[in-house]
Amino acid sequence: QQQVKQSPQSLIVQKGGISIINCAYENTAFDYFPWYQQFPGKGPALLIAIRPDVSEKKEGRFTISFNKSAKQFSLHIMDSQPGDSATYFCAASSNNNDMRFGAGTRLTVKP
Amino acid sequence: NAGVTQTPKFRILKIGQSMTLQCTQDMNHNYMYWYRQDPGMGLKLIYYSVGAGITDKGEVPNGYNVSRSTTEDFPLRLELAAPSQTSVYFCASSYSRPDNEQFFGPGTRLTVL
Repeated sequence: QQQVKQSPQSLIVQKGGISIINCAYENTAFDYFPWYQQFPGKGPALLIAIRPDVSEKKEGRFTISFNKSAKQFSLHIMDSQPGDSATYFCAASSNNNDMRFGAGTRLTVKP
Repeated sequence: NAGVTQTPKFRILKIGQSMTLQCTQDMNHNYMYWYRQDPGMGLKLIYYSVGAGITDKGEVPNGYNVSRSTTEDFPLRLELAAPSQTSVYFCASSYSRPDNEQFFGPGTRLTVL
């Protein structure tokens, strides 16, 4: 079963708009929640990550919001740019060395 | 630093053939991982290693084998290839447990016909 559920599968946003991708997890032992960005033909690369002791983390135009009680976290991309067009994966891991990934969201930012 | 390198980039196998996917990292990372990526399914962990001589199964290990004789290398072996193993395979490494950034290689696209 999918331990990390990600939505939407695809997202189209106009340049300058806000992109929002949501993830939900089941395992309360998860204590590290990264987001990875993947461009076509490339491997994923870490974008931003959060631990459950904070509710929000911001790095430039990218923000993770984390709701521990709801077991949900989301990625917000402010002022989205065509260069942000990529596939985004949320993930979660615990102390057992096992990282679980969401199914991915294909983001298209239209100029 | 080259980071994580994988060979080959592409490969077509016939059903029943075997092959080894190579992965090398030059960052002196202790942890290494093999994932497969299928369309719409995200990445699934096949095997991982926490150091030379130590390997463990991930979420989808059936049909695969690994070894870790050095810190740098973590090959993935496919025995008796099946169409269900058609996928893109990514190797990754990190300094310690998975909450350290994982660095991914460029991937190997494998087709089993």
